[in-house]
Amino acid sequence: GIQVEQSPPDLILQEGANSTLRCNFSDSVNNLQWFHQNPWGQLINLFYIPSGTKQNGRLSATTVATERYSLLYISSSQTTDSGVYFCAVEDSNSGYALNFGKGTSLLVTP
Amino acid sequence: GAVVSQHPSRVICKSGTSVKIECRSLDFQATTMFWYRQFPKKSLMLMATSNEGSKATYEQGVEKDKFLINHASLTLSTLTVTSAHPEDSSFYICSARDGTLNTEAFFGQGTRLTVV
Repeated sequence: GIQVEQSPPDLILQEGANSTLRCNFSDSVNNLQWFHQNPWGQLINLFYIPSGTKQNGRLSATTVATERYSLLYISSSQTTDSGVYFCAVEDSNSGYALNFGKGTSLLVTP
Repeated sequence: GAVVSQHPSRVICKSGTSVKIECRSLDFQATTMFWYRQFPKKSLMLMATSNEGSKATYEQGVEKDKFLINHASLTLSTLTVTSAHPEDSSFYICSARDGTLNTEAFFGQGTRLTVV
């Protein structure tokens, strides 16, 4: 199946700082999504972004499909941004299920 | 976005008993749903693909007789953990998408299972 690598694995920021999370994948994909997992385990959909750039408030994402990577930008971070961020890509070898990276654990301190 | 509802959110059961977890797509029909398992501080691992009206497809290493999946309608898939053991304790989460390919996937709230 498709390999998904996320970096960095852990990140600590002070409130107000900006950050970039990276997702590399090993093959071409039809679907790529970014999620935020909150402390209760709920996966919050951030972006559905197989290619191109999208923005939603302080968050934006860019996927360069030809180079097999995606970036998630968080600007002016807030303590509520803390949690784990997952990148997931659709794997045609697994019935088109999403294949997840190991995540980036973000802690934003006051 | 589409809504996927999972129930229960938490369950504690005794060893040897069975537990059923429900996953419903509330505002769309899902011919395919997916079941994942997540260990503490780990990523989500696909367990099986649930297909409406047919048998589920299990990932390598997942015991199909322990984790029974039924997808009897276009809006409901169930995962039954049979003869539960403490090592089955985990976070289980389902997913569905409105359509088949090239559409966004949505996840249920997850079920935290504790087997005592």
